[in-house]
Amino acid sequence: AQRVTQPEKLLSVFKGAPVELKCNYSYSGSPELFWYVQYSRQRLQLLLRHISRESIKGFTADLNKGETSFHLKKPFAQEEDSAMYYCALNGFQKLVFGTGTRLLVSP
Amino acid sequence: GAVVSQHPSWVICKSGTSVKIECRSLDFQATTMFWYRQFPKQSLMLMATSNEGSKATYEQGVEKDKFLINHASLTLSTLTVTSAHPEDSSFYICSARGGDGTNYGYTFGSGTRLTVV
Repeated sequence: AQRVTQPEKLLSVFKGAPVELKCNYSYSGSPELFWYVQYSRQRLQLLLRHISRESIKGFTADLNKGETSFHLKKPFAQEEDSAMYYCALNGFQKLVFGTGTRLLVSP
Repeated sequence: GAVVSQHPSWVICKSGTSVKIECRSLDFQATTMFWYRQFPKQSLMLMATSNEGSKATYEQGVEKDKFLINHASLTLSTLTVTSAHPEDSSFYICSARGGDGTNYGYTFGSGTRLTVV
């Protein structure tokens, strides 16, 4: 079975503060992990995928197989980063989501 | 880029009636489409996976006779909620993945809000 855990329902920070959204996974094979973002009243959109090793909107995420984690980080949060963030794992030919973390960035 | 169109964006229906939701990949062929359900302030729960030309694979606990999925072409999948009840009220989202083996991207529709009264 594949499982994704996001322990924080809500993360509230001030503008300019560092942000780390946690994601842990459970999967017997070689995982393929993603971060999706959902802004208010918008559809789900891809933010990052681990195979790309890219930085989007200042966000990065590193796959740590030893800790089975794929935490999302940004050094300086912006107000426009406020949204729901979902970690997802592609395994057994389907995409399974974590429960999501709402990021709230205050001025 | 890849676009998935989902229709309708919202629908209200009476208890006992059936509702059909369409999911179309507009600029790519989707060999696999996925249907999710999202309750308010909760995550997306995978309901089923549909492959073009074959029967859908349902997740545990999802009633296949209740949620009929048809994936008749490479660009269209439909979800029919049969004999809808108020507890079926939810936000339904489809996702599509192309046939290119090197592309692991999933593209999501804008969702359909179903309200059963």
